Parts: sequence; C-alpha cells; structure tokens
Amino acid sequence: GAVVSQHPSRVICKSGTSVKIECRSLDFQATTMFWYRQFPKKSLMLMATSNEGSKATYEQGVEKDKFLINHASLTLSTLTVTSAHPEDSSFYICSAKTGSEQYFGPGTRLTVT
Amino acid sequence: GQNIDQPTEMTATEGAIVQINCTYQTSGFNGLFWYQQHAGEAPTFLSYNVLDGLEEKGRFSSFLSRSKGYSYLLLKELQMKDSASYLCASYGNNRLAFGKGNQVVVIP
Repeated sequence: GAVVSQHPSRVICKSGTSVKIECRSLDFQATTMFWYRQFPKKSLMLMATSNEGSKATYEQGVEKDKFLINHASLTLSTLTVTSAHPEDSSFYICSAKTGSEQYFGPGTRLTVT
Repeated sequence: GQNIDQPTEMTATEGAIVQINCTYQTSGFNGLFWYQQHAGEAPTFLSYNVLDGLEEKGRFSSFLSRSKGYSYLLLKELQMKDSASYLCASYGNNRLAFGKGNQVVVIP
C-alpha cells in the first residue's frame, strides 16, 4: 500500500511554544490530506481537511488560528500547533487520500509541559 | 453530517470468529472503511466497501448495506495478534469520520 510519513514521531515542548508536524505522502500525490487527533482510548477526531493550494476546511470547534494547516504541495501538508498548552497534548495523525483509499501516517505524540 | 455508532469491547478465544458491527448516518455517503489500530500506533487499512455486499480478504471480510446504513467486519480464525481496536469510518462530502472503535481482546 501507499506510504505516508510523519515527522517528528514524538515531541515534547514547553507551554507557549509552537510545534510543527509534517505529513508526507512518499510514493503518491495526495490532493487531499486530513489531520486527526486522538486522546487515549478514544477514536480519531477529524480536525481539518487540507486541499493542496487552498485553505484548509476546519471541523466545528477546531480553532484555525491555533492549528495552522498548510498544504503547499501534492506530497506535503503541515500542522502547526501555536502557543501550545498542556491540553493540546495528544496523538496527532495525518492521512492522505489516493483514489478510493486513505492511508495514515504513523502519528506524532505531542506532549506539552 | 456524520454519525457513526460502534459497540465498545469484546473478548474472544483464539481460533474463533468475531463480528463487529457499525451503523452510520452520513451525508453524501461514498464508502465505508475498516481500520485496525494497535495501542499507540496509527490505524492500518483493512477494507473498503462502497457497494452493497460482502468483500472478503483472507481472514477478514467486510459487509455493507447502504439502505440500512450498516456494515460489519468479520474476523475469522482469530489470532493473538488480532487483539486491537477496530474502527469503522464513513466517507462523505470529502470527510472521513470515525466511529468510537471496538476493542477486541483475543485470549488463548
């Protein structure tokens, strides 16, 4: 199957700082990428849909000024958590759509201290 | 909008068969996915149904009824490594939304 990578896999940052997470489709072009977050023992919650070359579409309740999404190319989308707080600590997962299938990155574990 | 419902947890014996159900209400429905997720890892793709009927892939099969907004995942010949969370996700209006997931625990 198609491969999606995420970087970093794990990050610890101090409260108030910003963190950027990269999502790349390695062997295919993805016009649409999705960002999810997942709390322990909970399902994935869609945060936003990212389309190459246009503004992301955010889900209700997700602050677009706090979670900045950029989809600069067909193989790269980035999520920046700005002014991070401890409650932003979570598992962030991106996925990329190709045809009828959607593949997930390995996830990024963010811990804000 | 999208509304997806799944039961939460089940235990089954190695070698047994398990069926995991999922109901959905999705605007602009365009397919139902099943994923497997082990603790601390990202989901891995298992199956995709867009037409009514049964799709079989080795030990895993998935069924869809669009008229009933219903799908199930069938796991046969359970192995210990199948202990994981199983997530159904419906695709509609360019969004893939997940149900709560069903934790399957396989015991010897």
